[in-house]
Parts: sequence; C-alpha cells; structure tokens
Amino acid sequence: QITLKESGPTLVKPTQTLTLTCTFSGFSLSSSGVGVGWIRQPPGKALEWLTLIYWNDDERYRPSLMSRLTISRDTSKNQVVLTMTNMDPVDTATYYCAHFESITLFGVVAPWYFDYWGQGVLVTVSS
Amino acid sequence: DIQMTQSPSSLSASVGDRVTVTCQANQDISNYLNWYQQKPGKAPKLLIYDASNLRTGVPSRFSGGGSGTHFTFTISSLQPEDIATYYCQQYDNLPPTFGPGTKVDIK
Repeated sequence: QITLKESGPTLVKPTQTLTLTCTFSGFSLSSSGVGVGWIRQPPGKALEWLTLIYWNDDERYRPSLMSRLTISRDTSKNQVVLTMTNMDPVDTATYYCAHFESITLFGVVAPWYFDYWGQGVLVTVSS
Repeated sequence: DIQMTQSPSSLSASVGDRVTVTCQANQDISNYLNWYQQKPGKAPKLLIYDASNLRTGVPSRFSGGGSGTHFTFTISSLQPEDIATYYCQQYDNLPPTFGPGTKVDIK
C-alpha cells in the first residue's frame, strides 16, 4: 500500500524559504520507473505542477519557478524534500506530493500519471 | 507549455444523468492525457490514464475518450458520490499541465 504525507510549516513570511518534506511508504524511490512530484493548488484554483525527481535522481522543474525550487531525496528515510525560496503571498496554496510512474516518450523519460497523492499541506504566505 | 482548457467550468445534473466534460489541448498530445477527480478538501485521485484506460478499482460508469487535441470524460450515470471537480492533465511535454477543472454537482 503506497502512502505519502507532506509535512512542514503552514505559515511563512514573505521572502522566507519554504521547506516541505514528503514521507512515503509502500515503494522505493530506487525502483526503476518510479518518481515523486510536487504539485500545488492555490485556494479555489487549479493544480500546478512544480517539480519532480526520478528513481535515477534526475530532476525536473517548472521553468517559470526553476530559480526558486530545489527537490532532493533521502532514500534511506523514504523522504523527498521541496525547497522554495523567496516566498510571496501568491505562493499561498495547498502543496501536494505524489507518486508517479514514468514512461518513455520519443526517447525521453516523462512522468506518466500521478497515481498516489498525499493529503496536502496548506501553506499561507503572510507577514 | 501546453495549454489545457475544459468545458463547461461547472455543471449541475440529476442523479442517473449522463454527464460529459470536454478537454482541449492547444497542440496535438496524441492520447497522453489523464483524468483526476478531486472532492472538496481532498487530494486528487487518478481515474483514467492514456485518455481512455480506467484505473483498476474505478467504477465502470467513468470513461474517457479522444486523441490529438480533443478529449472527453463521461459519467454514464451520475451518482451522489461523484460530486467533485474533474481535471484533465497532459503528459506529452514537460511541464505536465492541468486543465482548469470542471465542477460537477447534483441538481
């Protein structure tokens, strides 16, 4: 049974750095074809993919946020960490981590579908 | 980025009605499309992948179709537990992008 759970601060001040941890069970991030992604959702709005990490430690970032995002993993702890710098009130959102299976399209490995999600953590950015 | 649009943005239907949501991509994405269900206050759940493949355990009243730029998501007989927002998501190109969602409720 695959489960994921996000943890971290629910309130951060503008300009601060947000660090969220995704702790998972039921799979190994060393298994070929597996990955973990972060997706956020501002209140009342749609889902927005942020970043992901593959089983082989390859990382991908949303281009518009690339300069602010870092994703890393601790395989021994079954954790993936998201760091987002210079937080702004527009970054107020529920942040989800999700397990995905990957697929090779046109010779490139890509996330196929996000099939298991954490419950999400609402992060509010306010002074 | 590939832009996804959905219509309608919301709909009300009666229990037992057939409900269809459309999703369009601004470029050809073949069948590289997923559908998710999100109930209020909950995380999204994967329902359909590869445009038309039902995830194991998902009720058969849900179905998907289409390819290229035009896709459909159908609930053949709307049930009270289907009240949710439904999102399409393409994986043809990074970044993966989601549609704006279609909110479905009971009339």
